[in-house]
Amino acid sequence: GENVEQHPSTLSVQEGDSAVIKCTYSDSASNYFPWYKQELGKRPQLIIDIRSNVGEKKDQRIAVTLNKTAKHFSLHITETQPEDSAVYFCAASIGNTPLVFGKGTRLSVIA
Amino acid sequence: DSGVTQTPKHLITATGQRVTLRCSPRSGDLSVYWYQQSLDQGLQFLIQYYNGEERAKGNILERFSAQQFPDLHSELNLSSLELGDSALYFCASSAKLSHLHSGANVLTFGAGSRLTVL
Repeated sequence: GENVEQHPSTLSVQEGDSAVIKCTYSDSASNYFPWYKQELGKRPQLIIDIRSNVGEKKDQRIAVTLNKTAKHFSLHITETQPEDSAVYFCAASIGNTPLVFGKGTRLSVIA
Repeated sequence: DSGVTQTPKHLITATGQRVTLRCSPRSGDLSVYWYQQSLDQGLQFLIQYYNGEERAKGNILERFSAQQFPDLHSELNLSSLELGDSALYFCASSAKLSHLHSGANVLTFGAGSRLTVL
């Protein structure tokens, strides 16, 4: 089955700097790649997603890139703010199969 | 409020006991997923139901079982509980399969049920 690896497990950045989180997946048939943000004690919430027919997608300060050949995708957060501090999860799925999640990255934005 | 309702929010019980976690999906969503999140662990997929039928199974222990009822709410039953079962259990729902032809399985999560086994 699908396996998703996520790096780094923790990331600290200064406020205003950029943060990059990377994920790799194992099944070349995967075609949907969402990113979820989980604040402390809260539920995971979808922040951005990308499908396999697109190489990059942006939404204000966040962007996701996908390299199907290398089977990896990345989350980029620019101009980080303290409220960006959270755990971020990447995931992958094939069609409407259940999402397989990475183990998460704890992002700390230092003011 | 995501529209996915989970009860109870917190549950403390003893080893060997049995508990039931309940989930009501967003209005109109036919699919329900259960995920387990242990300390410093990712989200482990347990089981999926679609319109009352089991659709996919993940790393769900034999001591655990689930079902989805005609009104689409779902229950996750955990029995013979062990210390290691202490975790946050999330339910998520997604749109009708007919909306997923493009391959976007967008999940909306509930607030979770935190289980502590002592």
